[in-house]
Amino acid sequence: DGGITQSPKYLFRKEGQNVTLSCEQNLNHDAMYWYRQDPGQGLRLIYYSQIVNDFQKGDIAEGYSVSREKKESFPLTVTSAQKNPTAFYLCASKLREAGANVLTFGAGSRLTVL
Amino acid sequence: AQTVTQSQPEMSVQEAETVTLSCTYDTSESDYYLFWYKQPPSRQMILVIRQEAYKQQNATENRFSVNFQKAAKSFSLKISDSQLGDAAMYFCAYRLNSGGSNYKLTFGKGTLLTVNP
Repeated sequence: DGGITQSPKYLFRKEGQNVTLSCEQNLNHDAMYWYRQDPGQGLRLIYYSQIVNDFQKGDIAEGYSVSREKKESFPLTVTSAQKNPTAFYLCASKLREAGANVLTFGAGSRLTVL
Repeated sequence: AQTVTQSQPEMSVQEAETVTLSCTYDTSESDYYLFWYKQPPSRQMILVIRQEAYKQQNATENRFSVNFQKAAKSFSLKISDSQLGDAAMYFCAYRLNSGGSNYKLTFGKGTLLTVNP
């Protein structure tokens, strides 16, 4: 079955450590996204990528980095510069062309900083 | 910047009854999409329904329907014959449909729906 796989589902990190969240899709989607979800805040866009080897900052990119070396993969690194990284992270994807407007989401990764 | 407002942090409904979740948005554009997503306790985001702004007819998907008032910038979700499985966080979302902006989905803060047996 096609879909988006996020791993790990739960991750614990000590302060000062970088961590990388994995997002893989087998939907042949062009565009991929990372959202952060905090209680009472809805979803906020961190980074997005519309094609391989290209990505743009979203609304809250500070302290995060991404890469898009393959169409199916869009990993997110939470760096030590992110001041409040404890959150639920959602990866999503969609076809790039106009009219393909529905995002498909992964099951999410919960990051906790100890 | 576009904003999406959900004024009801929490709502509750009796099983089999009808509930309406509110959503308003702010935009100066005329061509856009609106969505309702559901996030159950599993936290998997699921598309419930979508509306294209240039279509006057309100979208309907089985027990879910919307009341889209473009001039008022309102996009409410009605759930009929509520079921226990409808209990979830519901997010309203907006997306512009033009050129390079064909990417960003702006979400409201969500409404937590409880369904009472």
